[in-house]
Amino acid sequence: DVKVTQSSRYLVKRTGEKVFLECVQDMDHENMFWYRQDPGLGLRLIYFSYDVKMKEKGDIPEGYSVSREKKERFSLILESASTNQTSMYLCASSFSRQEQYFGPGTRLTVT
Amino acid sequence: AQSVTQPDIHITVSEGASLELRCNYSYGATPYLFWYVQSPGQGLQLLLKYFSGDTLVQGIKGFEAEFKRSQSSFNLRKPSVHWSDAAEYFCACIYSWGKLQFGAGTQVVVTP
Repeated sequence: DVKVTQSSRYLVKRTGEKVFLECVQDMDHENMFWYRQDPGLGLRLIYFSYDVKMKEKGDIPEGYSVSREKKERFSLILESASTNQTSMYLCASSFSRQEQYFGPGTRLTVT
Repeated sequence: AQSVTQPDIHITVSEGASLELRCNYSYGATPYLFWYVQSPGQGLQLLLKYFSGDTLVQGIKGFEAEFKRSQSSFNLRKPSVHWSDAAEYFCACIYSWGKLQFGAGTQVVVTP
């Protein structure tokens, strides 16, 4: 079974802190994705990566950056966390144009 | 531009009754379509997918979906709902670079 893990299930940070969310997949997938999920807004793509060191902006990249130094790991970085970044963050991975497999999510609260 | 529409935000169904969730897509080429389910506080789990071939697709947990090109629809069905089917359901379509376009989701409530 494909396994996508995220470093934390719950995280509480203060405004202005730098926040790292990590995602690891064990299926050698080339594509990895970061989404945020908010009530009434569904899932919105923040960034994705189709190869090591490659990244593309999604629909809502402002305030975020990403890093992919190894194929299995994709990090989402909030350079200076703000309260409007309180959300559920979901990581996913996929092979080519196949289905995406999701991690359990990280619920981030910024106070 | 591609889009996925789930017309029903919320559906309430009695345990044992049938369930149908609607999904319409707008996409120029042959779509790759998916249904995912999300239990509270969890990630998304793939229920089923359609790439090509037989338009009636079987998935996990007793779900099936039918692709109808003429109606641009990919509706999800289950003949008899269990209390554990209470969750949020998302329809999605692949577009460039393997990115998914999601519908807004349908919340399913199951009553005794």
